[in-house]
Amino acid sequence: NAGVTQTPKFRVLKTGQSMTLLCAQDMNHEYMYWYRQDPGMGLRLIHYSVGEGTTAKGEVPDGYNVSRLKKQNFLLGLESAAPSQTSVYFCASSYPGRKPNYGYTFGSGTRLTVV
Amino acid sequence: DAKTTQPNSMESNEEEPVHLPCNHSTISGTDYIHWYRQLPSQGPEYVIHGLTSNVNNRMASLAIAEDRKSSTLILHRATLRDAAVYYCILRVNRDDKIIFGKGTRLHILP
Repeated sequence: NAGVTQTPKFRVLKTGQSMTLLCAQDMNHEYMYWYRQDPGMGLRLIHYSVGEGTTAKGEVPDGYNVSRLKKQNFLLGLESAAPSQTSVYFCASSYPGRKPNYGYTFGSGTRLTVV
Repeated sequence: DAKTTQPNSMESNEEEPVHLPCNHSTISGTDYIHWYRQLPSQGPEYVIHGLTSNVNNRMASLAIAEDRKSSTLILHRATLRDAAVYYCILRVNRDDKIIFGKGTRLHILP
């Protein structure tokens, strides 16, 4: 099925380790986003991209880096993981902001635990 | 960012209609009202959106106030599978991102 695919689905890291979360979409969407969700909380925007080769900071960007080398992929990197980054990470994609009558499509999430 | 206000939680009985309110008093003329829901252990999913007129789809109905300062998501006949967090969001024309609030946690009683 068309949509947003996140890999991996689960991961346990030790403090200080690095990792990359991959998000892939096959809907030819221009915009892509990374959110994190902590227990009992809403989603908070980490970084987003409005097109290939572009990235921008969201609400909580510290400790994360992103890259959008291809239109269909959006990578989220943790250079030195900390326990505070234990969370569920969601990727989403959409048409541009000038098309506000279109919705967002979300992936199923990556559950990350940092010990 | 344009903001919305929703109750933290609501309860409803199974097989009864549910009306989920949302206030968005600072909405602009070209802002679309979007609703998403998040089932337990899943990512958010799109439910419905509208601009001025009421909207219906297979999942729900959206009733928009005449002044557009509030809207109501209507689930016509709630089932246990409708228990989720429902987010009301404004998609601002030409804005690059949407910010989620805490949404309304809907509990369905059997």
